[in-house]
Amino acid sequence: QKEVEQNSGPLSVPEGAIASLNCTYSDRGSQSFFWYRQYSGKSPELIMFIYSNGDKEDGRFTAQLNKASQYVSLLIRDSQPSDSATYLCAVLHTDKLIFGTGTRLQVFP
Amino acid sequence: DVKVTQSSRYLVKRTGEKVFLECVQDMDHENMFWYRQDPGLGLRLIYFSYDVKMKEKGDIPEGYSVSREKKERFSLILESASTNQTSMYLCASIRAGTGELFFGEGSRLTVL
Repeated sequence: QKEVEQNSGPLSVPEGAIASLNCTYSDRGSQSFFWYRQYSGKSPELIMFIYSNGDKEDGRFTAQLNKASQYVSLLIRDSQPSDSATYLCAVLHTDKLIFGTGTRLQVFP
Repeated sequence: DVKVTQSSRYLVKRTGEKVFLECVQDMDHENMFWYRQDPGLGLRLIYFSYDVKMKEKGDIPEGYSVSREKKERFSLILESASTNQTSMYLCASIRAGTGELFFGEGSRLTVL
């Protein structure tokens, strides 16, 4: 079993819709969770991190964490074509980040 | 702003050549990392370092070595490049206490 799992997609949503990206992790002791966005040909950049159960909102982005289910998600409201990218979920494990393989999001006009 | 700089964006090498990938960060971060990224496999950790002259193997260290002689500089070395090392290589440093990784722009290596 992979430590961090994501559906590879592509996830296609129309402009203005909510995009929901999901991630599960295997280490129940994990404490910190991150979402990175990676445009084609570019390096990943941090969107959000979350440490506590529940929701954390930042502009159009909401991260949701459920430690009991070992599940973390990212919601993007009012999706824009510029949100089209690969979204990487990452879990902090003893001072290093373990990444999922990423979900490709396509937002069409 | 934190800056992580990788010396080469694109390299083409021949099988058997020795390859050096250099990475420098300017925020005095303790921990630095080398990842490779391949389609369908995501980001995989090759080596990391949490202090000068200290190094730890990641998930795929075979065929690689690293050097950290100064805090700001972390080098990845391919002693004898092979075609299966054709990949995008990403260096990163981490902000202590937050887990936030800062990536360089990446080095795309092609081994012929």
